[in-house]
Amino acid sequence: KNQVEQSPQSLIILEGKNCTLQCNYTVSPFSNLRWYKQDTGRGPVSLTIMTFSENTKSNGRYTATLDADTKQSSLHITASQLSDSASYICVVRGFSGYSTLTFGKGTMLLVSP
Amino acid sequence: EAQVTQNPRYLITVTGKKLTVTCSQNMNHEYMSWYRQDPGLGLRQIYYSMNVEVTDKGDVPEGYKVSRKEKRNFPLILESPSPNQTSLYFCASGPADRPHTGELFFGEGSRLTVL
Repeated sequence: KNQVEQSPQSLIILEGKNCTLQCNYTVSPFSNLRWYKQDTGRGPVSLTIMTFSENTKSNGRYTATLDADTKQSSLHITASQLSDSASYICVVRGFSGYSTLTFGKGTMLLVSP
Repeated sequence: EAQVTQNPRYLITVTGKKLTVTCSQNMNHEYMSWYRQDPGLGLRQIYYSMNVEVTDKGDVPEGYKVSRKEKRNFPLILESPSPNQTSLYFCASGPADRPHTGELFFGEGSRLTVL
């Protein structure tokens, strides 16, 4: 069964510090991986997509990495801000499209002043 | 503005009283889906639709019904709600022309409490 495991489950960091969130998956064959940000009480919003051939991609202070060989991805947040407090969800897609979407349970990040 | 609109956003109801949560998208997306989100369990898919008149069960379909009579609308129906359906519900849509990379667009969520 396809699985997506995220760690840590939750994280508290001080404003201005960096952090890294992890996503391990077993989805095969692999098509792409998206990181979504979900603010409290809101719907998830896509931050970035990683395809098989991509290793690193940045979106402002967010940098995602992908190692398709080890089936691991990370999301690194630089110089955290209070507005980064949210849940970050890793979603992996297989080759059969939407029917193969597998969601991680998310990492809850709290940035403290 | 491109968006997915859900209604109601908040609802408290009683066991057995039929209810419908509406979902509408204005992006001409073929794919639409419903999820429930519970603490510690993440997002779990209830039903999805690849196009008009085409619907399929997700991981947790028991106790729910859906219909897709129009491309823009995908209502979620709880015929006889029970307390274990108390949850936060999200509708999402996505383009079918890029099923392997398409981004999902989520609504703002509907918080349902069944007493």
